[in-house]
Amino acid sequence: AQTVTQSQPEMSVQEAETVTLSCTYDTSESDYYLFWYKQPPSRQMILVIRQEAYKQQNATENRFSVNFQKAAKSFSLKISDSQLGDAAMYFCAYRSPNTGNQFYFGTGTSLTVIP
Amino acid sequence: EPEVTQTPSHQVTQMGQEVILRCVPISNHLYFYWYRQILGQKVEFLVSFYNNEISEKSEIFDDQFSVERPDGSNFTLKIRSTKLEDSAMYFCASMMNTNTGELFFGEGSRLTVL
Repeated sequence: AQTVTQSQPEMSVQEAETVTLSCTYDTSESDYYLFWYKQPPSRQMILVIRQEAYKQQNATENRFSVNFQKAAKSFSLKISDSQLGDAAMYFCAYRSPNTGNQFYFGTGTSLTVIP
Repeated sequence: EPEVTQTPSHQVTQMGQEVILRCVPISNHLYFYWYRQILGQKVEFLVSFYNNEISEKSEIFDDQFSVERPDGSNFTLKIRSTKLEDSAMYFCASMMNTNTGELFFGEGSRLTVL
């Protein structure tokens, strides 16, 4: 099974600053999808950003962008101009179209935003 | 905006009891999932469901677990005889199709087994 590793259990960032959350994964497949999900306290996970492995261009959604390094199997999330509402648990996830579309999640990074 | 809804939000049960967790996925979605998250640990896949049958299940999803979509709207997870280690947050999720690839999650049902 694919594994997803998030090596930073906790991160903090000053409001308005930039923070990068790291994620690495292990796979032998060439075609797959990568996601970052955000889970605010006591709320459901919501999708932040998605990257298809066949696309070389890094995905961007407003203040959120990724640095996708396919050869290195790395998929980091950059949050620019951090806001208090960004405080949450962030999960990196991998999905393969070849294994029943199952999603594999990392252990998460808890992000604190300091006012 | 359509969302996945789960009930109950929290259930406390005695070991050995049966539990049913309910989910209403987004109406035009075709793929349904149950995940669980033991406190402080990663989100773990339990089972996926498509076209009225299980498409994949993990090692966690043993004979004590079952899923059903009885009426075309509800998607239930049943644990026949709960164990202490079943205590976790259970998340239901749905996906429209494999092209979009976006999972929509419910808020979760917290199960506490005493």
